[in-house]
Amino acid sequence: AQKVTQAQTEISVVEKEDVTLDCVYETRDTTYYLFWYKQPPSGELVFLIRRNSFDEQNEISGRYSWNFQKSTSSFNFTITASQVVDSAVYFCALTINTGGFKTIFGAGTRLFVKA
Amino acid sequence: EAQVTQNPRYLITVTGKKLTVTCSQNMNHEYMSWYRQDPGLGLRQIYYSMNVEVTDKGDVPEGYKVSRKEKRNFPLILESPSPNQTSLYFCASSLRRPSFGTSGLSFLNEQFFGPGTRLTVL
Repeated sequence: AQKVTQAQTEISVVEKEDVTLDCVYETRDTTYYLFWYKQPPSGELVFLIRRNSFDEQNEISGRYSWNFQKSTSSFNFTITASQVVDSAVYFCALTINTGGFKTIFGAGTRLFVKA
Repeated sequence: EAQVTQNPRYLITVTGKKLTVTCSQNMNHEYMSWYRQDPGLGLRQIYYSMNVEVTDKGDVPEGYKVSRKEKRNFPLILESPSPNQTSLYFCASSLRRPSFGTSGLSFLNEQFFGPGTRLTVL
């Protein structure tokens, strides 16, 4: 069975600190897709990044960076120099192709960034 | 503006009274999906649709029905709602892309989510 684990339920940091959100996934499929979504207090879900299972290139985009490690089944997300506007719930998600695209979300990590 | 719309945004109903939550997208996406969000559980997939007339169960389909008669619409139907279906519901859509090579698989882009429907069943 597929599973996504976000072990950190809540994280609280002070502005300008770096913070890493952990995501560990389980699947026996060789082709899959990993995503990070952000849900700010206003409630909408915002796409952040997508990775294919065969693309282990890590990426930096402004203050955000992602570390995809297939060997440890992890897809971690780091915010550098956090800001109050980064306060949100962050979800990691796994999509597998079983003939149809089934998606499994982690329980989410709530990030509080204090001024 | 490219968007996914859901109606209603808020609904309070009583046990057993059939209801439909509509979902519509204007991006010509083949893939659409319904999720429910509950505290501590993240989002759980209810049903998804790969294209018109093609639907399949997600992880929590019990008590729900869907239909996909048109590409842009994917309504969620609760025939006999119960209090345990009180939740925040999200509809999403995504573009499927053909695969490269000979695998025959297609790829799924990121999902675009609607604003959510908060449902309370008394």
